[in-house]
Amino acid sequence: QVQLQESGPGLVKPSETLSLTCTVSGGSFSSYYWSWIRQPPGKGLEWIGYIYYSGSTKYNPSLKSRVTISVDTSQNQFSLKLSSVTAADTAVYYCASLRYTSGWYYNYWGQGTLVTVSS
Amino acid sequence: QSALTQPASVSGSPGQSITISCTGINSDVGSYDLVSWYQQHPGKAPKLMIYEGSKRPSGVSNRFSGSKSGNTASLTISGLQAEDEADYYCCSYAGSSTSLFGGGTKLTVL
Repeated sequence: QVQLQESGPGLVKPSETLSLTCTVSGGSFSSYYWSWIRQPPGKGLEWIGYIYYSGSTKYNPSLKSRVTISVDTSQNQFSLKLSSVTAADTAVYYCASLRYTSGWYYNYWGQGTLVTVSS
Repeated sequence: QSALTQPASVSGSPGQSITISCTGINSDVGSYDLVSWYQQHPGKAPKLMIYEGSKRPSGVSNRFSGSKSGNTASLTISGLQAEDEADYYCCSYAGSSTSLFGGGTKLTVL
């Protein structure tokens, strides 16, 4: 059973960089693509990107210029950085495990963390 | 990438069946049998209900079923129960190792 927990500041100023970390426990770190997904208040889910334990990444084209996802396998953690944020980046940010072998689906999710962009 | 198209809302009475559609294009839903469905209760994280179009994870009720025809995937919930009231999202593999979510459907149990 994989468990994920997001952590990071809940308030970020406009034009600054949003930084979040997801800590993973249980399961094999090499069995999934470790993903970030966000949900603006009252809206739907948006895939941000993912990283493999080797460090290879894939980003949503609409966010690619502002997103960096990194991994620290020694700590079983992966992180999200989103630069030049605006109010439109206010959302609940989820980390999740993407099963990519025998399918393509998010089977474990963190509880989510609300990040508000405001001065 | 545009979001997959889902109806904004559906409703049904307890015991009835409802179906939620998820329409994409040839390069996503139509090209792969890799649609998954998620249930989200207010203030909670999404929960996987269906994967690979029609498979249920362990622990998910067999009242939930999935199918696909052409560019449209569907989630059917039979024997509606009050606890099924939630938001439902589809997600498809969209080629080039990317994902695409639907806009979400609010299910109301009358």
